[in-house]
Amino acid sequence: EDKVVQSPLSLVVHEGDTVTLNCSYEVTNFRSLLWYKQEKKAPTFLFMLTSSGIEKKSGRLSSILDKKELFSILNITATQTGDSAVYLCAYLFTSGTYKYIFGTGTRLKVLA
Amino acid sequence: ETGVTQTPRHLVMGMTNKKSLKCEQHLGHNAMYWYKQSAKKPLELMFVYSLEERVENNSVPSRFSPECPNSSHLFLHLHTLQPEDSALYLCASSLTSYNEQFFGPGTRLTVL
Repeated sequence: EDKVVQSPLSLVVHEGDTVTLNCSYEVTNFRSLLWYKQEKKAPTFLFMLTSSGIEKKSGRLSSILDKKELFSILNITATQTGDSAVYLCAYLFTSGTYKYIFGTGTRLKVLA
Repeated sequence: ETGVTQTPRHLVMGMTNKKSLKCEQHLGHNAMYWYKQSAKKPLELMFVYSLEERVENNSVPSRFSPECPNSSHLFLHLHTLQPEDSALYLCASSLTSYNEQFFGPGTRLTVL
C-alpha cells in the first residue's frame, strides 16, 4: 500500500533553533514530493521536488529529495514564532490518473 | 477576489438535512479537488475534477455528491450525513492535475 510517513510527529524548539523535518514514502510510479505549511486552516504550498539531490530554497526554508532512499527533508534555520504550524508532506504519483497522498504532518511549535 | 474561496466557513447540520459546500477558484486552474481533514488523520482525497470531468472518486460514500459546473466552481452536496462525517472539508485547485495545489480556507462541518 502506498503511504507517506512523517517524523517527528511534533516538535518544540526555541526561536533561533534549526529544525529538520523528515518525510519518507513508499510508492510506485512516483512523480513529485510536495511540502505544505498549515497554520490554521488552508495548507500553503512550500516546495515541489521532482529530482534527487537538488536543494530547493526559500528564505530560511530549504528542502531536498532522495529518490534512492525514498525520503525528503525540510530544514528551517533561525526559527521564528511565525514558523509554528503543521508541516505536511505529500507525494504525487500516477495510477491511471495523478493522485496525491498526504502524511499526518509534523506539528512544530517555536517558543519565543 | 483572488485565490480559492469556500463557503460557508462553518456549518452545523442534522443527520436528515441536505446542504451544499461551495468552492470557487480565481486562478484559472483546470483541476479542482475535495479533501476531508479529520483530527489526527492525514488529508483524505475525496474527489478530483480535471477540465470539469470527475477523474477520481476515492471510495467516498454516496451521501457525498460532487458537482463541477465549470472549471471555476466546485460543489459538494451533503445529505443524510453521519456524526463521523464531522471534519474540515478543504477545496483545492491546481493548474493541471500534476501541479502543486492551492487550498481554500475550508468548511468546518459538524453533524449532530
